[in-house]
Amino acid sequence: DADVTQTPRNRITKTGKRIMLECSQTKGHDRMYWYRQDPGLGLRLIYYSFDVKDINKGEISDGYSVSRQAQAKFSLSLESAIPNQTALYFCATSHGTGGQPQHFGDGTRLSIL
Amino acid sequence: AQSVTQPDIHITVSEGASLELRCNYSYGATPYLFWYVQSPGQGLQLLLKYFSGDTLVQGIKGFEAEFKRSQSSFNLRKPSVHWSDAAEYFCAVGRYSGGGADGLTFGKGTHLIIQP
Repeated sequence: DADVTQTPRNRITKTGKRIMLECSQTKGHDRMYWYRQDPGLGLRLIYYSFDVKDINKGEISDGYSVSRQAQAKFSLSLESAIPNQTALYFCATSHGTGGQPQHFGDGTRLSIL
Repeated sequence: AQSVTQPDIHITVSEGASLELRCNYSYGATPYLFWYVQSPGQGLQLLLKYFSGDTLVQGIKGFEAEFKRSQSSFNLRKPSVHWSDAAEYFCAVGRYSGGGADGLTFGKGTHLIIQP
């Protein structure tokens, strides 16, 4: 089984819908992250969480919200999806102090029509 | 704010030839630097990292990278590429500054094509 699992792997939905992407990990890491990847732009940080009670905005948090339900679970929500949120979304985890390597899930491909 | 530049969007290399992928960063303090590889349909896999110490770091799959503070560079190298090395390569710098920030800032990636 994968250490960092993202569900769903693919999702097609319509503008205005509420979407939730889920991430769970079995690595026991305390820190979790959400990134989006767009062609030619690399990955950009949306939100990150040090632990269940500590959530922080990244570079591009507008239009997104997150929930850290447990140490192992970190969900990303789009309250009212818009087409320019079509992207590949990655969850990642890391352990300990900042700057440690991150371990990525396989991604969720989200298309908003 | 930190930034990462990967000047080459695409690079084509013949199988068996040497490879160098360029990465320049902007960061106020000693950076935490990473190279990741992404194969089609996959997540990102860590190739190597630099935190401190020896400026030449060894990674997986025969890759190495050299940190040059004077040039703000962290170029990735491999002496002989294999067809399986075809992928997207990302350089990243840690956002960690001791002030509570975390996560990675990525370059836009370099797409590596291997010619037979």
